[in-house]
Amino acid sequence: QTVVTQEPSLTVSPGGTVTLTCASSTGAVTSGYYPNWFQQKPGQAPRTLIYSTDYRHSWTPARFSGSLLGGKAALTLSDAQPEDEADYYCLLHYGGSHPWVFGGGTKLTVL
Amino acid sequence: QVQVEESGPGLVKPSETLSLACTVSGDSINSGAYYWTWIRQPAGKGLEWIGRALTTGGVNYNPSLKSRLTISLDTSKNQLSLKLSSVTAADTAVYYCARQTGVPEVRFDPWGQGILVTVSS
Repeated sequence: QTVVTQEPSLTVSPGGTVTLTCASSTGAVTSGYYPNWFQQKPGQAPRTLIYSTDYRHSWTPARFSGSLLGGKAALTLSDAQPEDEADYYCLLHYGGSHPWVFGGGTKLTVL
Repeated sequence: QVQVEESGPGLVKPSETLSLACTVSGDSINSGAYYWTWIRQPAGKGLEWIGRALTTGGVNYNPSLKSRLTISLDTSKNQLSLKLSSVTAADTAVYYCARQTGVPEVRFDPWGQGILVTVSS
């Protein structure tokens, strides 16, 4: 069974920088996993922040960026704002019989 | 602008079949090669990819749900449907539908607002 692992929780200071990561139990994450990152605030549906590793959605602030880092997909938030406090989920593509698997999510606190 | 909206009963009895629809507006559901996708989220927990139907044919299911799951497209109604049989309390969740685009810019957009389905007698 494929497992995608994210940090359960992270804290960043306002104005600070934080990197969330997304690891695969199958090995290094590459662009072929088409990493997607979603932000979810309480009571709201998830919304896409980053897709296909490093593409920002039209509504994604420039302070969010996606990359591959040390064999993982990564979401970096620079100049964190209070409104960035949310749950963040990554999603990786595996193809075959189970095309997509979500990570467990990271609860990001801006404090 | 394409929008999607989930609908269906909010309460299903254990052992029965959960049936949901996702209505697409703003475009035809079969215009372009898209994967119409179901995702769910139990209360207080993470997201789970359920399965998808491709506009050009074919479906893929989460192996953990495959034996109970049917996903299909109804082009006459411009809808994506989900049927999950033999439900238990573990199937209680908010169910979302979303459109997935194909390579190289693979993204999930739009998402619906979700529908809460509770499995209880």
